[in-house]
Amino acid sequence: EPEVTQTPSHQVTQMGQEVILRCVPISNHLYFYWYRQILGQKVEFLVSFYNNEISEKSEIFDDQFSVERPDGSNFTLKIRSTKLEDSAMYFCASTGQLSGNTIYFGEGSWLTVV
Amino acid sequence: AQSVTQLGSHVSVSEGALVLLRCNYSSSVPPYLFWYVQYPNQGLQLLLKYTSAATLVKGINGFEAEFKKSETSFHLTKPSAHMSDAAEYFCAVSDPMFSGGYNKLIFGAGTRLAVHP
Repeated sequence: EPEVTQTPSHQVTQMGQEVILRCVPISNHLYFYWYRQILGQKVEFLVSFYNNEISEKSEIFDDQFSVERPDGSNFTLKIRSTKLEDSAMYFCASTGQLSGNTIYFGEGSWLTVV
Repeated sequence: AQSVTQLGSHVSVSEGALVLLRCNYSSSVPPYLFWYVQYPNQGLQLLLKYTSAATLVKGINGFEAEFKKSETSFHLTKPSAHMSDAAEYFCAVSDPMFSGGYNKLIFGAGTRLAVHP
């Protein structure tokens, strides 16, 4: 079964460093998302992306965050200058017309900012 | 604005007992509703979804949920719990009328299910 893949599975970074989290959505999907889950808290929407542009973003998704689909298969989330409070599990997700409104999630990238 | 409330952050049942995880939603339009499961150190896996067809939805692993518009609820049930059901369960809602295409999911806070022998 097709799946969303994410790398790295775990990254430790120093505060102030830039981080790029990578995702390969399911082939033929056209809608992409990033969510995050701070330890012990609910899953929160960050951003949705369609047709090479952001379609919606949350209050969390400030100027420190950016997304990109650089090559037609990868979908990346960049955090420019990480803060301690950015420590969380970041989930990439995708969906498309053939998925029947189901959003498929990757296994997540666990980011620890120290 | 849409929202989801999951009553009970922790639920503990005996193996073989009924599982009932509660979810209530708030939405200005008939929503799409989902239950996802998260096993320890894993991603989110779809259990089942309601998208305006049958109100009783059957999912994987013997789970089912019933959409009750009058109660704005979408509770998740399983007749007989297994030890392997121990996980975190998230209810989520999305707006099918979103003009942008496929709308984001709004998640509840989650319910951690413990199953004891």
